[in-house]
Amino acid sequence: NAGVTQTPKFQVLKTGQSMTLQCAQDMNHNSMYWYRQDPGMGLRLIYYSASEGTTDKGEVPNGYNVSRLNKREFSLRLESAAPSQTSVYFCASSDAEYNEQYFGPGTRLTVT
Amino acid sequence: RKEVEQDPGPFNVPEGATVAFNCTYSNSASQSFFWYRQDCRKEPKLLMSVYSSGNEDGRFTAQLNRASQYISLLIRDSKLSDSATYLCVSRGGGADGLTFGKGTHLIIQP
Repeated sequence: NAGVTQTPKFQVLKTGQSMTLQCAQDMNHNSMYWYRQDPGMGLRLIYYSASEGTTDKGEVPNGYNVSRLNKREFSLRLESAAPSQTSVYFCASSDAEYNEQYFGPGTRLTVT
Repeated sequence: RKEVEQDPGPFNVPEGATVAFNCTYSNSASQSFFWYRQDCRKEPKLLMSVYSSGNEDGRFTAQLNRASQYISLLIRDSKLSDSATYLCVSRGGGADGLTFGKGTHLIIQP
């Protein structure tokens, strides 16, 4: 049982490049989330998906898009990366919206 | 913005001691509360949920005080492996979602 997995673990992008962060969970959870964590800021919600087929904006959605591909997978896309998007990105899942969440290992993204 | 406030620390505590820290929340409609621990450069991991009646899990005890809008975490007989950052989390009513505190850094010293 892998829980929540994320790829890649590390990524360096140049300003303006695009990329997709992948997340998958094998716990049969309905809800999935994307957060970013910056020093001194705590975890901030980017987007979430309460159930398959739905997505909603969180606190800091600008510059990002998401896709809930199926019940297991939830991807986060940066269309045109900016240095302000340098951060650690965590995916999480829960059995129901905003219940206890379980996190993936994170993706460390640097935009130069 | 709904806030969860924590003392960032660090709390330096000798091994075997008891340590407690609180966090306060601003949303009086918050329904659920959690404590997560986060090791350096790792993901947050659920430590425990916090119930209205308080709850205990081994050496860890969590309490909720709705009147004063704070939750607490008590760690007894602290171990070196308890060194981590502890995140306080509240869940608002409706679609408010989870609000994470910035964490309290705990260092257990031998």
